[in-house]
Amino acid sequence: QVQLVESGGGVVQPGRSLRLSCAASGFTFSSYGMHWVRQAPGKGLEWVAVVSYDGSNKYYGDSVEGRFTISRDNSKNTVFLQMNSLRPEDAAVYYCAKDTYTWAIIWYFDLWGRGTLVTVSS
Amino acid sequence: QSALTQPPSVSGSPGQSVTISCSGTSSDVGTYNRVSWYQQPPGTAPKLMIYEVSNRPSGVPDRFSGSKSGNTASLTISGLQAEDEADYYCTSYTRSTTLVFGGGTKLTVL
Repeated sequence: QVQLVESGGGVVQPGRSLRLSCAASGFTFSSYGMHWVRQAPGKGLEWVAVVSYDGSNKYYGDSVEGRFTISRDNSKNTVFLQMNSLRPEDAAVYYCAKDTYTWAIIWYFDLWGRGTLVTVSS
Repeated sequence: QSALTQPPSVSGSPGQSVTISCSGTSSDVGTYNRVSWYQQPPGTAPKLMIYEVSNRPSGVPDRFSGSKSGNTASLTISGLQAEDEADYYCTSYTRSTTLVFGGGTKLTVL
């Protein structure tokens, strides 16, 4: 079954850290770039970060650059998002999403997870 | 990187056509054809509807079409159906090697 399943969300205080995971199945994970996209409650979508198929290239949105780190473990078919120095404005549903074509980052997402909710509050 | 500009809402009756605009700059929409559109019904994950400005993934009805002129991309939905009611988001690759989303447009089928 082709799917992405996020986990690791929860309630965290401002300034603290959280690590999200996204487990992939049903496709050759190691061939595709993987993204994180977030959506604050009642708001629009915001692209967060991408990691290339082999982990060698990583890019971040301006609002998370320097605080968040994306990584992947191809042996475990999992992509991670390490979130440090969390702020209230980071509160959102975090989706992982699969890039469309093999080997390159094409910036289109043809498979999404259901998301995991991150709440940042004291 | 500022979000792309979309109208907050559009509406149409069944069978009619609607067009959603997506305005960017020369740093994104105006320079790159890596423009896509996503449909997000309430409470669900987004679904890719259009990629590379005007291409439809398999399974997307040909009622959905995309285009671009200058710094503005557009999504047109013809023959509106009740099931088309959802939020729609455009995206564009940017000069900074990032992706930017539009603010989203709520489509109401009257």
